[in-house]
Amino acid sequence: EPEVTQTPSHQVTQMGQEVILRCVPISNHLYFYWYRQILGQKVEFLVSFYNNEISEKSEIFDDQFSVERPDGSNFTLKIRSTKLEDSAMYFCASSERTGRGIYNEQFFGPGTRLTVL
Amino acid sequence: QKEVEQNSGPLSVPEGAIASLNCTYSDRGSQSFFWYRQYSGKSPELIMFIYSNGDKEDGRFTAQLNKASQYVSLLIRDSQPSDSATYLCAVVPSGTYKYIFGTGTRLKVLA
Repeated sequence: EPEVTQTPSHQVTQMGQEVILRCVPISNHLYFYWYRQILGQKVEFLVSFYNNEISEKSEIFDDQFSVERPDGSNFTLKIRSTKLEDSAMYFCASSERTGRGIYNEQFFGPGTRLTVL
Repeated sequence: QKEVEQNSGPLSVPEGAIASLNCTYSDRGSQSFFWYRQYSGKSPELIMFIYSNGDKEDGRFTAQLNKASQYVSLLIRDSQPSDSATYLCAVVPSGTYKYIFGTGTRLKVLA
């Protein structure tokens, strides 16, 4: 069964450093997403991406963050100048269909746990 | 601010019982509703989705949607200890593709 994969599973970095989190969405999916979950809190939407551009982003997704689809399979989240409060689990998700608000089952990857020291 | 509310629990039920999990949402135009299960330290796993008012059954799971009351629920029949997890309600508000998640309800099924 196809699945979303993410690397690395755990990333430890020093405050102020840049990190890149990688995702390989399900191959025939067209929409890609990043969410984050701070320990003990709810899953929060960061950004959605379609046709090589951002389609929607949250207030959390400020200039510190960027996304890219560098090739036909990978989808990356870059966090510049990491802060302590960026420590969280970051989930990539993908979905096949694009009907706005309908038929939008999203499948989540296993996540990358980011620890900022 | 579009919100999704869930009781955080824990909801404890004995093995074999029916577990009932509830979720309310604020955006009346929302059209898609999803239930995910999340084990500790793991990613959300899709259980089922519902778009139309009424009930939708899939095995031991039944999702119920009442758009007039802005309420969606998940029933788990014949609960098993392996069902012990946090259940996340996710709503797609009108005019968007993103999920708004509730905080989740922690379910404990007692053997």
